[in-house]
Amino acid sequence: KQEVTQIPAALSVPEGENLVLNCSFTDSAIYNLQWFRQDPGKGLTSLLLIQSSQREQTSGRLNASLDKSSGRSTLYIAASQPGDSATYLCAVLNQAGTALIFGKGTTLSVSS
Amino acid sequence: GAVVSQHPSRVICKSGTSVKIECRSLDFQATTMFWYRQFPKQSLMLMATSNEGSKATYEQGVEKDKFLINHASLTLSTLTVTSAHPEDSSFYICSAGSHRGGASYEQYFGPGTRLTVT
Repeated sequence: KQEVTQIPAALSVPEGENLVLNCSFTDSAIYNLQWFRQDPGKGLTSLLLIQSSQREQTSGRLNASLDKSSGRSTLYIAASQPGDSATYLCAVLNQAGTALIFGKGTTLSVSS
Repeated sequence: GAVVSQHPSRVICKSGTSVKIECRSLDFQATTMFWYRQFPKQSLMLMATSNEGSKATYEQGVEKDKFLINHASLTLSTLTVTSAHPEDSSFYICSAGSHRGGASYEQYFGPGTRLTVT
């Protein structure tokens, strides 16, 4: 059974810092991995999607990497801003595309 | 593109009543839609997968007679919480799966529905 773990559960940093969020998964047979952002009481915003054959994806100040063999992904946020404060969720899609398994998320707080 | 809507965004109902939540893919057709539930400070848990024109597949521990799912068209799926109780209060999120433009498969999420049962 696929399990997704995110470390740390919470993170507080001052504005301007670069930071890394970690995600690990137990079954390497995945279709893709996706990072989402969720603001309190809101739905999900997709940030980056990495196919199983890819190593990384970049969008603006965000960079996500994938090491499928070791079951790990990282989300790198450069020059953090208070507006980055949210919960970041990592999710893996199984190869059949039938199940998207989420981690519990990392709640990020960026202070000005 | 790839917009998924949910209605209502918030609903408060009394214990024992039923509530219907709609999920629509606005600019694409989705043969498969997914329903998730999220309790406070918890992650999303898949409740069921619905395929257009067929019965939904429920995850272990989810009561199919309590959470009725209908996927009557390629753009609409509904979740009905029957005889709701306070413990059903949660944030319900749907997603629609698509191979947009023949590219990779991805799920697109709706904005969620906050259900409060009093």
